[in-house]
Amino acid sequence: EDQVTQSPEALRLQEGESSSLNCSYTVSGLRGLFWYRQDPGKGPEFLFTLYSAGEEKEKERLKATLTKKESFLHITAPKPEDSATYLCAAQGGSEKLVFGKGMKLTVNP
Amino acid sequence: DVKVTQSSRYLVKRTGEKVFLECVQDMDHENMFWYRQDPGLGLRLIYFSYDVKMKEKGDIPEGYSVSREKKERFSLILESASTNQTSMYLCASRSNARGYTFGSGTRLTVV
Repeated sequence: EDQVTQSPEALRLQEGESSSLNCSYTVSGLRGLFWYRQDPGKGPEFLFTLYSAGEEKEKERLKATLTKKESFLHITAPKPEDSATYLCAAQGGSEKLVFGKGMKLTVNP
Repeated sequence: DVKVTQSSRYLVKRTGEKVFLECVQDMDHENMFWYRQDPGLGLRLIYFSYDVKMKEKGDIPEGYSVSREKKERFSLILESASTNQTSMYLCASRSNARGYTFGSGTRLTVV
């Protein structure tokens, strides 16, 4: 069965303190690995798509990387406005995405 | 960009009421999905649809039904609302490059 696991479940950082979020996946025939950001009371918003091991994508303070078993979302020098829940999802042979439970990031000023 | 619109941001309904949640997408996507999201449980798939008049059960379909009469519209129906259906409901449309595009969500409270 396809599965996605995110760790840690919650993370508190001080402003400027860099860290990484982990997304482990077991999916047959990975067709895409997706990262989303979700603010309280809103729908998830797209951040990145990764297709193959070794691929990297960057946007402002965020960088997503992919290996054959994991994806990482690296946050460099975070700011309070980066506080949100970050969701990871994988697509295998189906049109349905398999989601992790999310990781709540809090960045304190 | 694809836009997915959910008709209500907040709803309060009484136990036993029939509830309709509406979702419209503007990019002619074939695949649409309904999830509910609860703290600690993540996103759980209720129903999805691959095309007009086609529907398939997700992981937690009990107490729900769906309707897809037109390609752009996918409706979730709570036949007889119960308090355990209080949740955040998210509609999504399948977008090849982005996985899903989500609506802004409907926070449903059943009292």
